[in-house]
Amino acid sequence: EAGVAQSPRYKIIEKRQSVAFWCNPISGHATLYWYQQILGQGPKLLIQFQNNGVVDDSQLPKDRFSAERLKGVDSTLKIQPAKLEDSAVYLCASSSGQGWNTGELFFGEGSRLTVL
Amino acid sequence: RKEVEQDPGPFNVPEGATVAFNCTYSNSASQSFFWYRQDCRKEPKLLMSVYSSGNEDGRFTAQLNRASQYISLLIRDSKLSDSATYLCVVNKGKLIFGQGTELSVKP
Repeated sequence: EAGVAQSPRYKIIEKRQSVAFWCNPISGHATLYWYQQILGQGPKLLIQFQNNGVVDDSQLPKDRFSAERLKGVDSTLKIQPAKLEDSAVYLCASSSGQGWNTGELFFGEGSRLTVL
Repeated sequence: RKEVEQDPGPFNVPEGATVAFNCTYSNSASQSFFWYRQDCRKEPKLLMSVYSSGNEDGRFTAQLNRASQYISLLIRDSKLSDSATYLCVVNKGKLIFGQGTELSVKP
């Protein structure tokens, strides 16, 4: 079974530029998550989708971050304009049903962003 | 105060040692608890759930103390391959990750 796919794996941009990350979850997984992991810290939930609806985006900096999952399958996360503090690994995860209840999230390898 | 706090690392132990990680959480309404493992520059993966009665999976034992809002992970007979960061995770309607504790097992 194919895992969670993310691209690009690495991205280097200058501050104030924009960047987009793409995620394709495990087939059939209804719930999709975007986490931000800054070096030395644990993953922080940015946004959670159930199918194509947003369940939680309370920690998404909405002035610069946006995410969508239009057809309830793959998703994009955009940052515009980027700041230095956005340098992090952006992890996409998916789960079947209410994975937050079973605790079993399947993560992609992440997209590592460096903002100069 | 952070919602999930873990022992600061790194823990450097010899092969065969027993090591314990602690984690405290601030929200008494938290529903369930987990330990994840994250290898260097890799994605986190579920290691085990933590049940109120305590649970064991081979060399790994997880304990929960709801009264003290405390979770622990014990690793017996450490192997080189156990070297990783261990993340404490709390479910309060969404999964909240701790900062992780780094373990390095040396020959």
